[in-house]
Amino acid sequence: AQSVTQPDIHITVSEGASLELRCNYSYGATPYLFWYVQSPGQGLQLLLKYFSGDTLVQGIKGFEAEFKRSQSSFNLRKPSVHWSDAAEYFCAVPQTGANNLFFGTGTRLTVIP
Amino acid sequence: EAQVTQNPRYLITVTGKKLTVTCSQNMNHEYMSWYRQDPGLGLRQIYYSMNVEVTDKGDVPEGYKVSRKEKRNFPLILESPSPNQTSLYFCANRSGGLEQYFGPGTRLTVT
Repeated sequence: AQSVTQPDIHITVSEGASLELRCNYSYGATPYLFWYVQSPGQGLQLLLKYFSGDTLVQGIKGFEAEFKRSQSSFNLRKPSVHWSDAAEYFCAVPQTGANNLFFGTGTRLTVIP
Repeated sequence: EAQVTQNPRYLITVTGKKLTVTCSQNMNHEYMSWYRQDPGLGLRQIYYSMNVEVTDKGDVPEGYKVSRKEKRNFPLILESPSPNQTSLYFCANRSGGLEQYFGPGTRLTVT
């Protein structure tokens, strides 16, 4: 079955520092992959998606992610974190034969001044 | 503005008292679904609907019902809520490109 794993439950970074959030996937074929962000008290917002083609994907809010088939990873990055990036981040993959997204358990990002 | 709306946003109720959480979209998407979010478990799908009058179970359907009588609305019904249904609930729809768009969430507490 398709799934994603986010190994980091909580990450703390200083404002202005770079960020990388890890996502590992398990998928039988070329996956579709998504990153969502959930700000406190908010719903989930799509940051970016990978379907095919260029393995470096640009998203909103200055985020990017790189698909690496050899490592089964789709890590989310941002070169300089802002305090407003404090949120929970979810990686997701469609479930083959089903009609839903399988979400990772999320990584909570704390940004310190 | 394209959006998915849910009501109520917060609800506290007692065990066994039937409740309905409404979900409405103005995006004309055929696919809609409900998720619950619990700490350490991420989001899990409860039910989904591929189109009007077509609904199917997700990963955690027990204790829930849904209906899809019209394209824009997809209410979630708890006939007899129990404390283990205390959770944060999200309605979502989906475009043809597979990405899902989420409502703001409904925080339900069952005592």
